Amino acid sequence: SQQGEEDPQALSIQEGENATMNCSYKTSINNLQWYRQNSGRGLVHLILIRSNEREKHSGRLRVTLDTSKKSSSLLITASRAADTASYFCATQLINDYKLSFGAGTTVTVRA
Amino acid sequence: GAVVSQHPSWVICKSGTSVKIECRSLDFQATTMFWYRQFPKQSLMLMATSNEGSKATYEQGVEKDKFLINHASLTLSTLTVTSAHPEDSSFYICSASRFPEAFFGQGTRLTVV
Repeated sequence: SQQGEEDPQALSIQEGENATMNCSYKTSINNLQWYRQNSGRGLVHLILIRSNEREKHSGRLRVTLDTSKKSSSLLITASRAADTASYFCATQLINDYKLSFGAGTTVTVRA
Repeated sequence: GAVVSQHPSWVICKSGTSVKIECRSLDFQATTMFWYRQFPKQSLMLMATSNEGSKATYEQGVEKDKFLINHASLTLSTLTVTSAHPEDSSFYICSASRFPEAFFGQGTRLTVV
């Protein structure tokens, strides 16, 4: 079942701008992960942040996690047309392999 | 990253026939794989958890007799949609777990006519 709620549902930005999307969840988690899905394709793992971490960076990606608010954000800096995709957060509970996905944010980067 | 291969990438079948979708982890062993269904512009809905050497665990509301899952080896899980009907048309995606991350196949677009 879906645990995460994401906003916005859709985001349209100009190339070079930053894109920020948020994810909220309901129960205590072991970690939260972000995935990207290009249209009609599978998902690609972007970054994982553990419950005891607050911020993580990977290239142009920055993820934050606030366990007190049960929320996370994904920031993509200096966006490129190739960043156009849907982005999903997924939560994983302690001792559980399953991922619960949010509804996703569709990002369109205009050239 | 790890590679998961899913075949076929698309299939069209007649109503009443069965379709088999394969999910292979190419460079790691996966004791646990997952099968998802995704409707247009929606999130992934977990259908079942596939465990190597044992029966799959189905999510509530998923018909186990309709969606047969076999995980006979550490690198292969199959999903068979039996007696397919137009309402089974969807995008099916598998993932292989290399805890805590998951690696996804390319997805299979199933169209039942």
